[in-house]
Amino acid sequence: QQQVKQSPQSLIVQKGGIPIINCAYENTAFDYFPWYQQFPGKGPALLIAIRPDVSEKKEGRFTISFNKSAKQFSLHIMDSQPGDSATYFCAASMRSTGNQFYFGTGTSLTVIP
Amino acid sequence: NAGVTQTPKFRVLKTGQSMTLLCAQDMNHEYMYWYRQDPGMGLRLIHYSVGEGTTAKGEVPDGYNVSRLKKQNFLLGLESAAPSQTSVYFCASSQLNQARYTFGSGTRLTVV
Repeated sequence: QQQVKQSPQSLIVQKGGIPIINCAYENTAFDYFPWYQQFPGKGPALLIAIRPDVSEKKEGRFTISFNKSAKQFSLHIMDSQPGDSATYFCAASMRSTGNQFYFGTGTSLTVIP
Repeated sequence: NAGVTQTPKFRVLKTGQSMTLLCAQDMNHEYMYWYRQDPGMGLRLIHYSVGEGTTAKGEVPDGYNVSRLKKQNFLLGLESAAPSQTSVYFCASSQLNQARYTFGSGTRLTVV
């Protein structure tokens, strides 16, 4: 059973576009929601994260929107660049279980020049 | 500043063979994790450890064993490899009470 559901599986946008990746969860005990970025042949790296007490967090061109009542969160990439082409994973965790993360299935993003 | 180092980077095993994957971190992190990554399935937790000498099962522990004899090392063992264990394995670590993982660069394992 997938604890965190992620969509879409793949996404292609033009340079300058705003790709949006969505995730949904069921367990209300989750208290930390990170996004990881992974380039081919590399391990995932933390991109941005949010806790459920805020509805939005921005870091540079990356924004997380969080809807606690709907149990959904999404990643927006403003002014996307070809260098943003990567696989993006959302995740959720709760401190009570040793920071164990439950990852979404990933979204492969391609930004066309 | 190496972070999290995984060895080996690539390995091909025959069905039934055994092997150990090594993960080493130099950040003095308390928590360590082993994940496997498969196409369309994301990252799934195999086992994790919240401190030296402790281990716990994750989502997909069957067919794997782990040990954490030293704080900086977390070993993942396959006693009798099966083709279903063909995957990319990632080790990660995090500090106590900080839900931020540092991942290694992965081990690509093929079982034929």
